[in-house]
Amino acid sequence: DAGVIQSPRHEVTEMGQEVTLRCKPISGHDYLFWYRQTMMRGLELLIYFNNNVPIDDSGMPEDRFSAKMPNASFSTLKIQPSEPRDSAVYFCASSGIRRGNYNSPLHFGNGTRLTVT
Amino acid sequence: AQTVTQSQPEMSVQEAETVTLSCTYDTSENNYYLFWYKQPPSRQMILVIRQEAYKQQNATENRFSVNFQKAAKSFSLKISDSQLGDTAMYFCAFMKLDSGYALNFGKGTSLLVTP
Repeated sequence: DAGVIQSPRHEVTEMGQEVTLRCKPISGHDYLFWYRQTMMRGLELLIYFNNNVPIDDSGMPEDRFSAKMPNASFSTLKIQPSEPRDSAVYFCASSGIRRGNYNSPLHFGNGTRLTVT
Repeated sequence: AQTVTQSQPEMSVQEAETVTLSCTYDTSENNYYLFWYKQPPSRQMILVIRQEAYKQQNATENRFSVNFQKAAKSFSLKISDSQLGDTAMYFCAFMKLDSGYALNFGKGTSLLVTP
């Protein structure tokens, strides 16, 4: 089991550029989450998907942020245009809950550290 | 929305001692789950312990245990016999049922274990 795979591990970009973060969830997991971690705000849930369908995107900060899950094995989080205040660590996580069974824990990727200069 | 509060930004404990990290939460739900996650400098998020709200018995995992006070909406983590490898950020998290493991996290407590 390779776990949740995120790429890139680090990303440095200039203000105004488009940034795309990628995530491959654990095979068989039907929920996928994007979180953002900053010192000021801690870990914030941005959006999550169930069976590739976005369920709750109320945490997405602005229209500059968008997320897609074209299939069960891939998701992207895009920021366009990027701003310095978007600098943070972005985590992807997946889980494989069967209805009513919450014993399967949430599996996190190692995160992407984004720096926007 | 549920809020999770960790009132101790930083804590320090000596090796082999016991430390307790506090967490309170606000919810109108009756059934939910609570978690503690550990984040070492490697940035990895590691599940430490989990508590179902309908269970009165406090969860225990080896040196880690919780004190769950449902009426007070309190969920503290006790680490016994602290080890240097316990140095990390610790996050308390809340999950309501039927949310597919969508967790609301506190801002974290940075724990330093000293020799």
